[in-house]
This record gives sequence, structure tokens and C-alpha cells, in this order.
Amino acid sequence: DIQMTQSPSSLSASVGDRVTIPCRASQNISSYLNWYQHKPGKAPKLLIYAASSLQSGVPSRFSGSGSGTDFTLTISSLQPEDFATYYCQQSYSPFTFGPGTKVDIK
Amino acid sequence: QVQLQESGPGLVKPSQTLSLTCAVSGGSISSGGYSWSWIRQPPGKGLEWIGSIYYSGSTYYKSSLKSRITISLDTSENQFSLKLSSVTAADTAVYYCARTIVRDGYNFDYWGQGTLVTVSS
Repeated sequence: DIQMTQSPSSLSASVGDRVTIPCRASQNISSYLNWYQHKPGKAPKLLIYAASSLQSGVPSRFSGSGSGTDFTLTISSLQPEDFATYYCQQSYSPFTFGPGTKVDIK
Repeated sequence: QVQLQESGPGLVKPSQTLSLTCAVSGGSISSGGYSWSWIRQPPGKGLEWIGSIYYSGSTYYKSSLKSRITISLDTSENQFSLKLSSVTAADTAVYYCARTIVRDGYNFDYWGQGTLVTVSS
């Protein structure tokens, strides 16, 4: 099975900061990588699909990059509503989520 | 706007079968180009995909759960279901249903709110 790693497991940031969240796959997954935002008690929300495509309705401050084994989610200017846990997920074979990176307030 | 809603018992005894249903509104589960998935999150842990079913009825399951899991479609009610047999405390989790779209790979674009299932005697 393809393993996904996300490090750090948590990070502290301030409103307005540029935040980058890395994700690594245990083998080449091309661009079959998606990003989700998850808040407690809520349904996870798709942000980015196919590594860099912005899901409809998602603010443009979110962007994704990478291919192969290394990927990054970037939030260009962190907003109060962005404090959440972010998961990467590969859909190369079949589906695996990373352990998540929690973004909290510094 | 597609909406999904999970329902089922919140408490299941060990060794019994967990049964959940996901009602879909705003779209037909028989539409091509989609599959319908179950994903869970144990307390304090991350998300785990457990299985999916295509509109055609074909299924694909997480390998470690394959012997215990069944996902089925009910097109007349526009819903799909999960059955997980021989449950243990390790199956305690919030269970989410989600639509899986085939779009440059597969991604989960609509989710239910989730339902907590506790396995305990």
C-alpha cells in the first residue's frame, strides 16, 4: 500500500502568515493527490484536486503544487477561518490519507 | 447541491455487525462518473478510506477490511449502505459517506456530516 506522510503534525501561525504544508508519498503517484480541510464536528472539505487544481468555491489563497512523491499545500495569507487540520490523500492506488497537519493559532 | 446524510445505530456490541446508510439528495447515485464511498476517523486519529461502490454496483474495499465489509446501492431509495461484520473496539469511529468524482484521478467532493459509532458491550 502507498503510505502518505505529513510533517509536522502541527504548526502554529498568525493571521496573515504564508503557510506551507508538505506531504510525501512512499512511491510515485504522479499528480493523483488531493488536499482536504477538516474542522472538528464538520465534514471534511475538498480544497485541491489533482495536486494543483482549485476546487470550485475555494478561496484563491489556497494553492497546491508538486508531482511524483513530494507535494505542498500553500495558504498565501492565513485567515481566521483557516485554522483546521489539513489532510493530503492519494488516489493512485487506491486511496490513502496522510496523518494530517493541524494549523493552530500562534 | 448534492447532500449526503449518514444514519444508523450509534452503539454496536463487539462481534456484531455495524450497519449504516447514506441518503443522497440533489443528485442520482445511478449517475455515471461517480462512485460512493465510506471513510472513517477513529477518535484522535486521521481519516481512513474503507471502501467504495460504483454506480454500476462494482465495489472496491480497503484490503485489510475486505473480509468484513459489504457496500451496496439502493437506487430506488437513492442511498447506499455499509455493513461491517465482527466489529471490535478498533472499529469505533466517526463514519463519513462521500461522493467520489472521477476527475483527474478520484477525489471526494461531497461529504456527509459524519456519524459516531461506538463499539462497546
